[in-house]
Amino acid sequence: GQSLEQPSEVTAVEGAIVQINCTYQTSGFYGLSWYQQHDGGAPTFLSYNALDGLEETGRFSSFLSRSDSYGYLLLQELQMKDSASYFCAVHGSGNTGKLIFGQGTTLQVKP
Amino acid sequence: DTEVTQTPKHLVMGMTNKKSLKCEQHMGHRAMYWYKQKAKKPPELMFVYSYEKLSINESVPSRFSPECPNSSLLNLHLHALQPEDSALYLCASSRDHILERFFGPGTRLTVL
Repeated sequence: GQSLEQPSEVTAVEGAIVQINCTYQTSGFYGLSWYQQHDGGAPTFLSYNALDGLEETGRFSSFLSRSDSYGYLLLQELQMKDSASYFCAVHGSGNTGKLIFGQGTTLQVKP
Repeated sequence: DTEVTQTPKHLVMGMTNKKSLKCEQHMGHRAMYWYKQKAKKPPELMFVYSYEKLSINESVPSRFSPECPNSSLLNLHLHALQPEDSALYLCASSRDHILERFFGPGTRLTVL
């Protein structure tokens, strides 16, 4: 099976940098994704890492180390609108379509 | 069009009712999904459709019955639900199983 661990809550101030870590255990691995979900909204895709290293998309970056079964999402120049839940999600074995989400990290950005 | 639409937005039903949730996408995606999400919890996979065929059923009770009439539409038929089935039901689609999921806004279901 698959399991993922990420912190339940993170608080930071506007303009700061925050890192949300995710460790996973999975039988078979096709990549780690990150999704953002605002209260009352639908999850929206942020990034996908299949290979080790850093992927950068604007203010957001995502990192993966397959040997450590570890990844993180880095948010820079935090804005109030970044307050949301952030989920790491792992694609399981066999490319079956099983995308399993972690419990989510609630990010609160304060002025 | 990069949108997944879901109807209705809200649904209240009794335990003896039969209702259906609808999902539509026109992005040419051949994989479609149903997820259930309780408050403060992650989305939980229910069903996966691949090329209009059911490929994964995550041991979902038979009171939930999915249907994929064509490559753009996905339905979830509901019958004899329990109050604990109250949740946000999310539909998603993707071009490939590995690529990003596009989620619809969800149907907020309340079972009385």
